[in-house]
This record gives sequence, C-alpha cells and structure tokens, in this order.
Amino acid sequence: ETGVTQTPRHLVMGMTNKKSLKCEQHLGHNAMYWYKQSAKKPLELMFVYNFKEQTENNSVPSRFSPECPNSSHLFLHLHTLQPEDSALYLCASSQERGGPQHFGDGTRLSIL
Amino acid sequence: GQNIDQPTEMTATEGAIVQINCTYQTSGFNGLFWYQQHAGEAPTFLSYNVLDGLEEKGRFSSFLSRSKGYSYLLLKELQMKDSASYLCAVRDDTDKLIFGTGTRLQVFP
Repeated sequence: ETGVTQTPRHLVMGMTNKKSLKCEQHLGHNAMYWYKQSAKKPLELMFVYNFKEQTENNSVPSRFSPECPNSSHLFLHLHTLQPEDSALYLCASSQERGGPQHFGDGTRLSIL
Repeated sequence: GQNIDQPTEMTATEGAIVQINCTYQTSGFNGLFWYQQHAGEAPTFLSYNVLDGLEEKGRFSSFLSRSKGYSYLLLKELQMKDSASYLCAVRDDTDKLIFGTGTRLQVFP
C-alpha cells in the first residue's frame, strides 16, 4: 500500500472511445504527476500539478487531458487514442515538487 | 540534452553483493533518486542523494559523485525478493525527474 490508488488497473479501449483514469492520494501531498511507462523506455513525465495548478505539460498530445479538482485527486481523460498510446500510466505524488515521489500501481492501457 | 545511462540487465547470486551504476548528463542537478520496481507493481523510493558521498540504508547504499556525473546503488546480502528493476532518476534544475530506462536485476539461488 503506497498511499496512491489508481483505477482502473486495466483498461482496453477502441480508438474512438472516451475514458478516464483516476488517481487518489491519501498522503497529504501537494504535488501530483502523470507518467507513461512503455516497454524498454524510460518513465516519461506527462503532467505535473502543484497545489492543483498545472506546472508542466511535457509536450503531450491533446488527446490526453488532465484534470486536478483538488490536491488529492488527479484524472487523465482520454479520447481518440492511437495504438502507440498503449502503455502503463503511472500516477505519483510528493510532498513538494521535486521531492521523493510515491507511485500508484498504474493503469495498464491497451488501445485496439 | 538529458541523458541517463544504466545497464539494461544484471544477474547475481543470493547472498552476494551487486553494484548498479548510473551516469547522467542533465540540464542542472538537484539530486538523484533510486527506485525499485517489481514487475507489475509501483516503483518504490529507495534513496535520494544530493551531496557527494555514500548514503547507507540497511542492505542498500547509494553513492554520488557530482563532479563525475555518476552514482551507484549497492545491494548487499542479496535475497530472491531483490529481483526487480532499479530506476535511476535525476532531479533537474526545473525540479523534474528524468528517469533512466532501468536495470533489471535477476537474483539466482
């Protein structure tokens, strides 16, 4: 139990579907992150939120849309994804931006 | 550009010592992290070095040399459960974490 919960754990969707990934942290942290992890590639930072404000968008395509309604919750809205978007999507949080991050178990996303 | 290098795979025997190296070239440096990730699970934080030298935490130690752009993670008295991927990550001058591809360690009996 890392204190960061992601749902769903697995998601299969077609390219025309719309779905959302959810992340919740119970650690009282102020910063939250979305990462993409593909096989044989480094963890790739997508978005950073600090005190609910987006501070980083790492040139992510607009078919990925983040939302942070409060410091404990983070969403990643998905629409018209491509097969190359199939990956493990990890959420993380840290007390302050740049500090040690606590990761969720991730959502394994498969695009058909 | 940003570059973090670590070996792709390593093997070792139960009870032995293994050293996993990481070299980096990044835009600024505000510290280096090591994470452990078992297959299908979340990465978990192991260590953080910001000053040169060795930080020891039980069976795991992490070393940093800022002048050489080099770190290593030392695992002693290896156990089967230490079989995992070990991720090196540098905190750059914008406080982003830049990750290496990870080193997959297999421990054999």
